[in-house]
Amino acid sequence: AQKVTQAQTEISVVEKEDVTLDCVYETRDTTYYLFWYKQPPSGELVFLIRRNSFDEQNEISGRYSWNFQKSTSSFNFTITASQVVDSAVYFCARADRGSTLGRLYFGRGTQLTVWP
Amino acid sequence: NAGVTQTPKFQVLKTGQSMTLQCAQDMNHNSMYWYRQDPGMGLRLIYYSASEGTTDKGEVPNGYNVSRLNKREFSLRLESAAPSQTSVYFCASSGLATSSYEQYFGPGTRLTVT
Repeated sequence: AQKVTQAQTEISVVEKEDVTLDCVYETRDTTYYLFWYKQPPSGELVFLIRRNSFDEQNEISGRYSWNFQKSTSSFNFTITASQVVDSAVYFCARADRGSTLGRLYFGRGTQLTVWP
Repeated sequence: NAGVTQTPKFQVLKTGQSMTLQCAQDMNHNSMYWYRQDPGMGLRLIYYSASEGTTDKGEVPNGYNVSRLNKREFSLRLESAAPSQTSVYFCASSGLATSSYEQYFGPGTRLTVT
């Protein structure tokens, strides 16, 4: 299977620090979608963002920003001025437009702990 | 509008017992999915369904069966549970054409097989 790699298994920061979660993907398709999901300690999976492969503009939403670079096959996620409530497991995922049913391929996740 | 619901939330089974995990969505989505989540493994796709009457195997289908009962409901059955099936199970749905593939997840079922 074409992979999604999240090399950072665990990251710990102190509140108000900035933190970047890395995501590197593999695909043979020219059109695809990238996603980030958050899984807080309560366990549910929360959709954060979708990015299309043909749109390389970076996106900012409040303290969250995403940097998509096709040249390096990366889709990194930065949290600015982190807060304790940001503590969660974050998953990066990919879907290929040409694939059956748009199935998602997930990375193994990065556990982010923000200390007060 | 409940989104994706799953029952039960928790279950303990003995080896060899059977059970069915239920999933329903009220978003009029065409596609539905079952994943399992194990520590350090991320989410792995068990089965998926494009529409009523169609199902396909994902990455880890062995030991499971599914039924797409109608557009809303997609159930996962363990015929003879094994300790290796101890996991958290998530159901998800996707509208595909309107949502560009993002999937919305249920709250999960935590299953322990002893």
